[in-house]
Amino acid sequence: EVQLVESGGGLVQPGGSLRLSCAASGFTFSSFALHWVRQAPRKGLEFVSGIDTDGYSPLYADSVKGRFTISRDNSRNTLYLQMGSLKTEDMAVYYCARIYYGVGSYDVWGRGTTVTVSS
Amino acid sequence: DIQMTQSPSSLFASLGDRVAITCRASQSIDSDLSWYQQKPGKAPKLLIYLASRLHSGVSSRFSGSGSGTGFSLTISSLLPEDFATYYCQQSYSSPWTFGQGTKVEIK
Repeated sequence: EVQLVESGGGLVQPGGSLRLSCAASGFTFSSFALHWVRQAPRKGLEFVSGIDTDGYSPLYADSVKGRFTISRDNSRNTLYLQMGSLKTEDMAVYYCARIYYGVGSYDVWGRGTTVTVSS
Repeated sequence: DIQMTQSPSSLFASLGDRVAITCRASQSIDSDLSWYQQKPGKAPKLLIYLASRLHSGVSSRFSGSGSGTGFSLTISSLLPEDFATYYCQQSYSSPWTFGQGTKVEIK
């Protein structure tokens, strides 16, 4: 079964750091670009960061540029998001999502991991 | 960034109704448009890609149309499992952006 499973969310104080992970299974991980997409409480979906198959040319939303770093380990079938200088507006459910090859859609999503930023 | 605007933001419909949701892009995005369904507490699910192509396993009750700046998602006959929030998303240029969502509720 094709699956993405996020972990690493939790409660963190403003200014703190957190590292999210996304473990993949059931497909050839190294062949797919992946993105992080977040959803604040009762809000819509927002692209956060993306990475290509080789880990080069990462993409970031302006709102997280300079604070978040995306990476991947193709040997471990895992995607990461290192989050720093966290703000209350970063509070959201964070999803990892697979890019449908050559199409520009997200065809596989994880269940999400919740990040709460509060003092 | 390309802005995606959906209308309406919410709608009330009955079982069996035909429903249409529109999505407008702030500039032309060719056919680089996807539609997703999201139920409370769940991850989004891909319905339509490249504006009109039905994703594998998705019911043929769903259809998409449009190109350039105007798009629509149509549900031909609402079933109970179709009550959800629907999002459009463009992949024409980075950053990929979503519409604000359309909530389909039971009348």
